Amino acid sequence: QKEVEQDPGPLSVPEGAIVSLNCTYSNSAFQYFMWYRQYSRKGPELLMYTYSSGNKEDGRFTAQVDKSSKYISLFIRDSQPSDSATYLCAMSEGNQFYFGTGTSLTVIP
Amino acid sequence: DTAVSQTPKYLVTQMGNDKSIKCEQNLGHDTMYWYKQDSKKFLKIMFSYNNKELIINETVPNRFSPKSPDKAHLNLHINSLELGDSAVYFCASSPQKGAHTIYFGEGSWLTVV
Repeated sequence: QKEVEQDPGPLSVPEGAIVSLNCTYSNSAFQYFMWYRQYSRKGPELLMYTYSSGNKEDGRFTAQVDKSSKYISLFIRDSQPSDSATYLCAMSEGNQFYFGTGTSLTVIP
Repeated sequence: DTAVSQTPKYLVTQMGNDKSIKCEQNLGHDTMYWYKQDSKKFLKIMFSYNNKELIINETVPNRFSPKSPDKAHLNLHINSLELGDSAVYFCASSPQKGAHTIYFGEGSWLTVV
C-alpha cells in the first residue's frame, strides 16, 4: 500500500466551479500536509501547508485536514483557466516527504 | 531571480553515456534534494544533503552519484545511462532538514535514446 493515495483524474470543470481535490494516507505520524501545483513543463510550487488537523484558507484556496479519517482536501473556489495544472498533495514525517501522484485539473473557459 | 536553478533543462543523450545535472539555490537553505518524476508524475526522492552531508540515500542504482561542494550546490552525476533513466529530475531545497516546505527547481528533462 502506498503511503499517500491520490486520484490521478483527469478532472475537467467549467470556469467558476468549485473544485475538490483529495488525498488519503496511511501513516498516522504525518504532521504536516502540503499542496503543490505543477504546471506543464515546470517544477512543483508550494501552494499551502497545514499543520495537524483543521482548515486553512488562502484566497480562493482552502486546505482541509481530517487526521481521524487520514484524509486531506484542497478546495478551489471560482476556478479559473489559470488553475489548470496538476495538483500534488504531500505529507511529511521527520526528514521524509511523501507525495501523491497528482490530480490533473483542467478548467474550461 | 531564480531561487532553485538547475541546468540543463533538456538533455538528450545516448545509452551508455555519462551526464551531469547541476543545481544551485540562492535561498540560503541548509538542505537540498534530488527527486525523480516518472511519466505518471510520481515524485520519488533520490538523495538529500544537509550542509553538504548526505542524509537521505534512497534505493537508487549506484550509477547515480550526488555531489555537494557547498550547501548552495548539489549536482547529480549519472554513469552509463540506460533507457529507464529517462525522466524529469528535480532539484529542491528546504530551510533545514525536516522542514515542511520544499522549493523545487524547474526540472531537467532527461531522454536516453
